[in-house]
Amino acid sequence: GDSVTQMEGPVTLSEEAFLTINCTYTATGYPSLFWYVQYPGEGLQLLLKATKADDKGSNKGFEATYRKETTSFHLEKGSVQVSDSAVYFCALSGGATNKLIFGTGTLLAVQP
Amino acid sequence: NAGVTQTPKFRILKIGQSMTLQCTQDMNHNYMYWYRQDPGMGLKLIYYSVGAGITDKGEVPNGYNVSRSTTEDFPLRLELAAPSQTSVYFCASSSQGGSYGYTFGSGTRLTVV
Repeated sequence: GDSVTQMEGPVTLSEEAFLTINCTYTATGYPSLFWYVQYPGEGLQLLLKATKADDKGSNKGFEATYRKETTSFHLEKGSVQVSDSAVYFCALSGGATNKLIFGTGTLLAVQP
Repeated sequence: NAGVTQTPKFRILKIGQSMTLQCTQDMNHNYMYWYRQDPGMGLKLIYYSVGAGITDKGEVPNGYNVSRSTTEDFPLRLELAAPSQTSVYFCASSSQGGSYGYTFGSGTRLTVV
């Protein structure tokens, strides 16, 4: 079945460092891909999405490109801030079921 | 703009007790979902609904029940609470299903002792 694999955390970075969180997927058909962010004590918020191959989603300095050839959707940010500390979830829309399937999440901790 | 509202935010139950987690959305979304989030395990789908009067099981439905009598409300019922149901529960809604993303509530943290 469809699935999402994320790099394990926690990821600890210093402020202004470059961020990459890897995400790969397995899916039939052409799913939409998403990154959600969860700040401490809160629900998940949509960060960005891409709906077809080679699309780039971007928001708040984060970006990710839908790579069909490598089945990947890696999240990147050029310069992280302490306020970016959160758990990041990669997800795909599950084909015929039309439901979101989530990765296990990656905890990002940014130190000043 | 309330979005998706969940109540209560926190609850402690004793083993064998029952409770209902409430979820309401004001966006006129047809699709609604219940997930549970366990540490390091991501989100697992419990139940979902594609419209009023229609519900279906997700990955982990055992020990839970749902109903969808209106578009706005999608309560989750726990019968005979067990320690394995200690988790954070999230309700979400969507206008057209997964392809358009979900809007999440802020969650209910449930502890069964």
